[in-house]
Amino acid sequence: GQNIDQPTEMTATEGAIVQINCTYQTSGFNGLFWYQQHAGEAPTFLSYNVLDGLEEKGRFSSFLSRSKGYSYLLLKELQMKDSASYLCAVLDSNYQLIWGAGTKLIIKP
Amino acid sequence: NAGVTQTPKFQVLKTGQSMTLQCAQDMNHEYMSWYRQDPGMGLRLIHYSVGAGITDQGEVPNGYNVSRSTTEDFPLRLLSAAPSQTSVYFCASSLRIAGANVLTFGAGSRLTVL
Repeated sequence: GQNIDQPTEMTATEGAIVQINCTYQTSGFNGLFWYQQHAGEAPTFLSYNVLDGLEEKGRFSSFLSRSKGYSYLLLKELQMKDSASYLCAVLDSNYQLIWGAGTKLIIKP
Repeated sequence: NAGVTQTPKFQVLKTGQSMTLQCAQDMNHEYMSWYRQDPGMGLRLIHYSVGAGITDQGEVPNGYNVSRSTTEDFPLRLLSAAPSQTSVYFCASSLRIAGANVLTFGAGSRLTVL
């Protein structure tokens, strides 16, 4: 079966760095997405990786290793507004998105 | 641009009632989809459409119908509501189905079935 694993919840301190991991086992691979979802709101796009390596976008970076079935989202200089759930999703060989359950990130002052 | 507009935002139904969740996008996106989101689970695809007149089933289609008569609109119909359909529903669209096409989500519809 297809599976995406992420930690359920993480806590970090304002101003610090946090890494949210995502491991996947899917039928084929056509890219990996990270979305951010604030409580009670819709998911919004953060990043897309299809090749191995690190993609940096301001305070957020996303890494992919296709051989290990592994990605992480790195958030630097954490702000209170980064408190949200972070969803990992893989586009499989049929171009269907397989979603992880999400990681709830709690930022403490 | 309005993006993806979903209505209603909240709805309470009794078991056995039917209703339609509306979804409209103004971005000329080919691909539209409906997801449900339940606590502790990933988003699950209900139905999707790759263009007007074309629909297909996702992971959890039972109890739901869709149609795509225009590019803009993709309503989701609950035929006979059951408590197991209590969930938050999201409509999402993208330019195409493949590749780095980012999904744009509607604001969500919270449905409670008593």
